Amino acid sequence: SQQGEEDPQALSIQEGENATMNCSYKTSINNLQWYRQNSGRGLVHLILIRSNEREKHSGRLRVTLDTSKKSSSLLITASRAADTASYFCATDRGDDKIIFGKGTRLHILP
Amino acid sequence: NAGVTQTPKFQVLKTGQSMTLQCAQDMNHEYMSWYRQDPGMGLRLIHYSVGAGITDQGEVPNGYNVSRSTTEDFPLRLLSAAPSQTSVYFCASRRGISTDTQYFGPGTRLTVL
Repeated sequence: SQQGEEDPQALSIQEGENATMNCSYKTSINNLQWYRQNSGRGLVHLILIRSNEREKHSGRLRVTLDTSKKSSSLLITASRAADTASYFCATDRGDDKIIFGKGTRLHILP
Repeated sequence: NAGVTQTPKFQVLKTGQSMTLQCAQDMNHEYMSWYRQDPGMGLRLIHYSVGAGITDQGEVPNGYNVSRSTTEDFPLRLLSAAPSQTSVYFCASRRGISTDTQYFGPGTRLTVL
C-alpha cells in the first residue's frame, strides 16, 4: 500500500502567491523526498529531508518534517507559471524501497 | 551523460503478448527501480535492484520480471500482457544510499488491448 498521502489533491493559486502542499505517511521513515512532475514527463527530485531534520530550504522551496505527526509540508514561495506541475512526496523506510504518494496537482493562474 | 534512458517511448500490445521495456543509465548508479503510474494512483514500485545480480520485489511485482546482469541496464519484462498493465512505466536510478538523488527516465507509455 502507498505510504504517503498528499493533501490537497489539487490546488489553484494566483501567480505570486505561496503554495503549500502536505504529505502524511504511516510508518517510521529514514527520509522524505519531494518530486515535481511536469505533464507527460518524468519526475524531478526537488529536496530531501532526513528524519532528524525539521526544516530545509532550497531556493523558493521550504520543506518541514514533523515525525511525531508523521507529516511533511512543501511550501513554494512567490509562485510562477513554471511551477504548474504535480508534486509528490516519497518516503524511505530504510528497506531500500522509495514509496510515493498520489500527488498534488498545482495550477498557477496568470 | 545521457542520464536514465528508456525505450520504447510508446508501445501497444495485445493481451497475452510479451515484451521487454528497456532501461539504461550511464551514471554508474548501483540502485535502479521500476515504477508504474496510473491516473490518480501516483507511482507504485514494481521491482528494484541494489546492484548487479540483485533484484527484489516492490509494491506491485505480479506480472513482471526483472534481471540485473550489468550495472547499466535494468530491463522489465512482461511475460503475458494484460489490460491491467496499461500504464506509464518509469525507470529510476541513484548512486547508492537512499539519501542520494534519484533520477527518473522519461517513461514508456504502454497500452494493452
